[in-house]
Amino acid sequence: DIQMTQSPSTLSASVGDRVTITCRASQSISSWLAWYQQKPGKAPNLLIYKASSLEIGVPSRFSGSGSGTEFSLTISSLQPDDFATYYCQQYNSYPWTFGQGTKVEIK
Amino acid sequence: QITLKESGPALVKPTQTLTLTCSFSGFSFTTIGVGVGWIRQPPGKALEWLAVIYWDDDKRYSPSLQSRLTITKGTSKNQVVLEMSNMDPVDTATYYCAHTLSVGYIDYWGQGTLVTVSS
Repeated sequence: DIQMTQSPSTLSASVGDRVTITCRASQSISSWLAWYQQKPGKAPNLLIYKASSLEIGVPSRFSGSGSGTEFSLTISSLQPDDFATYYCQQYNSYPWTFGQGTKVEIK
Repeated sequence: QITLKESGPALVKPTQTLTLTCSFSGFSFTTIGVGVGWIRQPPGKALEWLAVIYWDDDKRYSPSLQSRLTITKGTSKNQVVLEMSNMDPVDTATYYCAHTLSVGYIDYWGQGTLVTVSS
């Protein structure tokens, strides 16, 4: 199985901050990576696919980058609605695997 | 508009078999590439992918759970059924069904259903 490791596990930030979350794969996954946002009690919501493609309807302050084993999700200016937990997921090979999540908290 | 909804028991006893049904609308298995998968999330923990079934009946399972899982298309053409045998308290989780294309990312999720395993 491909292991996905996110850092940090928790991130404290203020509205307006630029924040970056990192996801590392245990082996190369090319660009087959997605990012999801999850709020408490809700299903995850797709933000980014193929490492850097923005899902329709997702605000442009979200962006993704990387390839191979190192990836990042950046929120250019954190908004109140962005406080949530974020997960990366590789779909290069089965079994699909998720990172452990990064919780973005209010500072 | 694509929607999915999970249904099944909220409580199962240890050793029992869990049967969950995903009812969906807005897409069909007649479309090449369409898949419906299952993902679970124990309380306060991360997401775990379980299984997926595609338009052509190709099925993929998590190796760690493969011996306990069966995914099938339901008797209704807009349903997918997941069976998980020999349930244990560690299987307590919210179970989500989701739409995917054969690419592999998940673009639509059901609301999830919490399943508790307890005697």
